Amino acid sequence: DAGVTQSPTHLIKTRGQHVTLRCSPISGHKSVSWYQQVLGQGPQFIFQYYEKEERGRGNFPDRFSARQFPNYSSELNVNALLLGDSALYLCASSLVSGLEVGQFFGPGTRLTVL
Amino acid sequence: DQQVKQNSPSLSVQEGRISILNCDYTNSMFDYFLWYKKYPAEGPTFLISISSIKDKNEDGRFTVFLNKSAKHLSLHIVPSQPGDSAVYFCAATESGTASKLTFGTGTRLQVML
Repeated sequence: DAGVTQSPTHLIKTRGQHVTLRCSPISGHKSVSWYQQVLGQGPQFIFQYYEKEERGRGNFPDRFSARQFPNYSSELNVNALLLGDSALYLCASSLVSGLEVGQFFGPGTRLTVL
Repeated sequence: DQQVKQNSPSLSVQEGRISILNCDYTNSMFDYFLWYKKYPAEGPTFLISISSIKDKNEDGRFTVFLNKSAKHLSLHIVPSQPGDSAVYFCAATESGTASKLTFGTGTRLQVML
């Protein structure tokens, strides 16, 4: 069974550019969450989408946006990249919204902003 | 402000002994707590969780203890095995909200032969 998949694995961008990260949840999972993990820190919640609707948003600027598609895959977009956006971006899927257990994480996308 | 804190960045334990990882939280609205394990180049993997209505949950070698009055939880691994060497994250959430997990900064556990 395929787990949560994310693409690309690694990405290098320059300041001011924008980036799109992609996530495919486990089959049957309808909830997708995005997290940012800066080096030396724990993952920090960015967004949660369930049934194509935003159900939660963390303390991130409007440069960060996301969406969920009818097949429950998701994209995270970041505009006007800053050096501080360099991080590992993790996607997690779960069966239903608000479920405290069973969030399954993908391997992440490593974004480097130069 | 760090609502979930793991004050020990690293821990070394001998194989076969007990590993105890600690976590403190400040937000009294948190009522569900989880532990995740993370290997390099992989995403975090769910280990065990506990609801605030309990003070202990056990799953095989892993036991989580919750002390609500102290806003403290701990993960016990007995016996520790070399394959347990990883970074362990404590996470907390409020039930009834979106699946928003608040993570600690992690503790790197090394189990030595």
